[in-house]
Amino acid sequence: QKEVEQNSGPLSVPEGAIASLNCTYSDRGSQSFFWYRQYSGKSPELIMFIYSNGDKEDGRFTAQLNKASQYVSLLIRDSQPSDSATYLCALWISSGSARQLTFGSGTQLTVLP
Amino acid sequence: GAGVSQSPSNKVTEKGKDVELRCDPISGHTALYWYRQSLGQGLEFLIYFQGNSAPDKSGLPSDRFSAERTGGSVSTLTIQRTQQEDSAVYLCASSLRASMGPEQYFGPGTRLTVT
Repeated sequence: QKEVEQNSGPLSVPEGAIASLNCTYSDRGSQSFFWYRQYSGKSPELIMFIYSNGDKEDGRFTAQLNKASQYVSLLIRDSQPSDSATYLCALWISSGSARQLTFGSGTQLTVLP
Repeated sequence: GAGVSQSPSNKVTEKGKDVELRCDPISGHTALYWYRQSLGQGLEFLIYFQGNSAPDKSGLPSDRFSAERTGGSVSTLTIQRTQQEDSAVYLCASSLRASMGPEQYFGPGTRLTVT
């Protein structure tokens, strides 16, 4: 079982709608979760991180974490065509001498004008 | 300030040759990471450096891969006797040390093509 699972999509939403991106993970010891956005042919860029259960809002983005259900999501409000990209969920694993940011395979989002 | 830089941006090499990829992290960032991303795939962790501590090499796929970080700054990823399956984009990231997990900032990557 992969440590981080994402629906690969593609996910299409109309402009102005809410896009919901989901991620599940298997490592119960993970405490830190990150969302990255990657445009085609570009390197990933950090959007948000979340450590605590609940919601964290930053502009049009809201990250939601539920550690009991091992579930983290990213909501994008008022989606814009410029939000079209692949969204990568990542969790930070810190165990013994290992320090790794483990990524999901990403969800491709298309926002239709 | 300047972000993470990588060189070369593109590298085409023949099977069996050695290649060196360079990463220059953000100034002041003590942690440095190498990842590999094959076409249409997610990021695969390769190696992690934190300050002067022993690196976490658990992600290196074979002994043909090695990396070093000199003076706690610039890092070089070396692939010996390259194979076609090594073709990918190699991404470097850096971060400040953080107890709860790093906010990693990525460089533009080096696209490696092994022919």
